Amino acid sequence: AQSVSQHNHHVILSEAASLELGCNYSYGGTVNLFWYVQYPGQHLQLLLKYFSGDPLVKGIKGFEAEFIKSKFSFNLRKPSVQWSDTAEYFCAVNAGVAYSSASKIIFGSGTRLSIRP
Amino acid sequence: GAVVSQHPSWVICKSGTSVKIECRSLDFQATTMFWYRQFPKQSLMLMATSNEGSKATYEQGVEKDKFLINHASLTLSTLTVTSAHPEDSSFYICSARDFLLAGRYNEQFFGPGTRLTVL
Repeated sequence: AQSVSQHNHHVILSEAASLELGCNYSYGGTVNLFWYVQYPGQHLQLLLKYFSGDPLVKGIKGFEAEFIKSKFSFNLRKPSVQWSDTAEYFCAVNAGVAYSSASKIIFGSGTRLSIRP
Repeated sequence: GAVVSQHPSWVICKSGTSVKIECRSLDFQATTMFWYRQFPKQSLMLMATSNEGSKATYEQGVEKDKFLINHASLTLSTLTVTSAHPEDSSFYICSARDFLLAGRYNEQFFGPGTRLTVL
């Protein structure tokens, strides 16, 4: 069965610091990988997604993620964070076959990011 | 495009009553819909998957008789929490997928969530 691990439960950074949030998944086959953000009191938003091709994926709001197949990792990065990046970040994986009714997105436990002004 | 709505956005009910939450895909036909549950400061846990016209498939540990899911049309799925109790208080989020829109990314589109409080 597919699973996702986010080892950083709470990350505190100052503005302008660089960010890297870890995400590891367990599944041996082809996967779809996602990062979502949930701002306080708001609903889930998609930051970026990966299926294949260039392992460095660029998303919205200056975020990017790198897929490293050998490490089963899909870490999220941002060179310089802002106070407005304070939110909960979720890594997610879909290990089902595309176009299959059995495929589903499973979420990691989430990382709370707090940015000090 | 790919907008999913939920109604109501929040609901408060008394213990023992049943509550129905609607999930609609507004601008596409959702062949598959999903229901997730999120406790405060925790992650989203998948409760069940439903395909239009079929019975829902529940994840391990989710009570089928407690959480009734109906996916009667390609744009509407409902989650009914029967005989709700305070421990059912949570944030319920639905998502929808259309194979054409999802493409190779197998993407699901998420609704804004419904906050249920059971007194």
